[in-house]
Amino acid sequence: DAGVTQSPTHLIKTRGQHVTLRCSPISGHKSVSWYQQVLGQGPQFIFQYYEKEERGRGNFPDRFSARQFPNYSSELNVNALLLGDSALYLCASSLPSYNEQFFGPGTRLTVL
Amino acid sequence: EDQVTQSPEALRLQEGESSSLNCSYTVSGLRGLFWYRQDPGKGPEFLFTLYSAGEEKEKERLKATLTKKESFLHITAPKPEDSATYLCAVGGANYGGSQGNLIFGKGTKLSVKP
Repeated sequence: DAGVTQSPTHLIKTRGQHVTLRCSPISGHKSVSWYQQVLGQGPQFIFQYYEKEERGRGNFPDRFSARQFPNYSSELNVNALLLGDSALYLCASSLPSYNEQFFGPGTRLTVL
Repeated sequence: EDQVTQSPEALRLQEGESSSLNCSYTVSGLRGLFWYRQDPGKGPEFLFTLYSAGEEKEKERLKATLTKKESFLHITAPKPEDSATYLCAVGGANYGGSQGNLIFGKGTKLSVKP
């Protein structure tokens, strides 16, 4: 079975632009979570969606938003990019009856 | 405040030299402690879930153990391919498959030299 997939792999943007990152969960997984990982740190929680509803939000500004589609894929949007938004953005999916989250390969975002 | 602290930050071992990584946690109502392996520039790879004190899980050269305040990842006779960053995470009191988030430590970067 295919694992969690994310696109694009790498992205370079300039300050003030916006970006959309995409994630497809493992088949059968209905929950998708987004994390931000800056160099040298552990992943930090941004959002969780389950059955197209937001179930959790981390301590991130309103410039960050997300949504989940009927096929359980998800998008993370970041507006008005700042240099500090440069990071590896990770998507994870899970089954509702299990606690384990399985991560995709990530999208490396560089803001210049 | 829920918190996860990992030590050491970095660990250099010779091939075959066994050691342990530590994960200390503070959480109001543990709903699982998770170990992941992460290679540079890649997403974390799931290794183990532990739920209660005294529980142990093994996979090849890795064994994870859990107490009420910390978890250890024991690496027996490591090989160079075990080199990676090992992340520890906890699910808090409200954590479950349909809600909640994982709280991660900063990780331990393990280097195994031949």
